[in-house]
Amino acid sequence: EAQVTQNPRYLITVTGKKLTVTCSQNMNHEYMSWYRQDPGLGLRQIYYSMNVEVTDKGDVPEGYKVSRKEKRNFPLILESPSPNQTSLYFCASSLRLSYYNEQFFGPGTRLTVL
Amino acid sequence: SQQGEEDPQALSIQEGENATMNCSYKTSINNLQWYRQNSGRGLVHLILIRSNEREKHSGRLRVTLDTSKKSSSLLITASRAADTASYFCATDSMEYGNKLVFGAGTILRVKS
Repeated sequence: EAQVTQNPRYLITVTGKKLTVTCSQNMNHEYMSWYRQDPGLGLRQIYYSMNVEVTDKGDVPEGYKVSRKEKRNFPLILESPSPNQTSLYFCASSLRLSYYNEQFFGPGTRLTVL
Repeated sequence: SQQGEEDPQALSIQEGENATMNCSYKTSINNLQWYRQNSGRGLVHLILIRSNEREKHSGRLRVTLDTSKKSSSLLITASRAADTASYFCATDSMEYGNKLVFGAGTILRVKS
């Protein structure tokens, strides 16, 4: 089944404790992206990747890191999480970023930073 | 940089009625997409309309695009309780670079 998977789905952690949220897609998509969703703010892009080893900042990259060593995986790293990073996070992928591609979303990771 | 803004923020209707949601955006676009999100879950792509298209249909969904007014509407006909969800428009614009920009969404509740 074509899908985007994220792990963990739920995470409660404490300020400053490094964490990684994994994202994997099995559709051979070139483009992958991370979003955070907060009430009233919609989805805001954190980072995106056009292909392996090509990443770039989105609208809200501060406090996050990403890597794209393999086409299928795009982990999101929070080196020193803070309470303002409490949010619902989504990974998404599309065949490539062109005019006509829909994005496929993962099920989300609900992160709480105490 | 919130390119798309949906209107209304929330909509409550009876099953069987039509639901209309609007999206306005600020810059010229390549395409506009609509997504649905059931509570706390990932977004699901509904329909994409290109900048040179004016109307598109998919099942009970009808999307219109007016580039002169920089607006789009999503019509769901004969709504069902299962249509209860949040609906987002997203725009692909050269001005915003290599990304889709999402609006804040419309929360639709369909009462049975």
